[in-house]
Amino acid sequence: EAGVTQSPTHLIKTRGQQATLRCSPISGHTSVYWYQQALGLGLQFLLWYDEGEERNRGNFPPRFSGRQFPNYSSELNVNALELEDSALYLCASSLGVNWNEQFFGPGTRLTVL
Amino acid sequence: GDSVTQMEGPVTLSEEAFLTINCTYTATGYPSLFWYVQYPGEGLQLLLKATKADDKGSNKGFEATYRKETTSFHLEKGSVQVSDSAVYFCALQKETSGSRLTFGEGTQLTVNP
Repeated sequence: EAGVTQSPTHLIKTRGQQATLRCSPISGHTSVYWYQQALGLGLQFLLWYDEGEERNRGNFPPRFSGRQFPNYSSELNVNALELEDSALYLCASSLGVNWNEQFFGPGTRLTVL
Repeated sequence: GDSVTQMEGPVTLSEEAFLTINCTYTATGYPSLFWYVQYPGEGLQLLLKATKADDKGSNKGFEATYRKETTSFHLEKGSVQVSDSAVYFCALQKETSGSRLTFGEGTQLTVNP
């Protein structure tokens, strides 16, 4: 069974640009979560999508946004990139709501120059 | 708000030594507790979990017991191997927080032969 996949593996952008990160969940999983792992800040929850709807949002500015497609894959968009957005962005999926175990992908390393 | 505190790292041990990584949490209600492991260049993998007080999670020789009276979930292993070298994250999840995982800071473990 294929795990959670993310693309691209690495992404280099300059300040002010936009970045788009993609995630494909495990087959049968309807929930997708995004986390940011920034140096010195640990792992922080960004967004949660389930059945195409945004269910919960972490303490991040509105320039962090995303969506979930009918096939349950998801995009994370970061607009007006800032240097401090450089981080590893991890996507996780689960069977759905109600505390289900989250399975993580390998991450996308975003570097903002 | 909810939070997780891990012992400060990094931790360096010799092969076959005993491992303890401390984890305490602050949360109302009855969260589920997790230990995740991140090997170099990879995403997070669930190591073990416990969903109620006095539960013991175990996997690959690692154990942790959910202690509500001390709000702790310390990770232990009797004899570590070089292959256990990784970053270990303690995390909690509450239904009322919308399925998000709240992580500790992570503890870097290095095991020397």
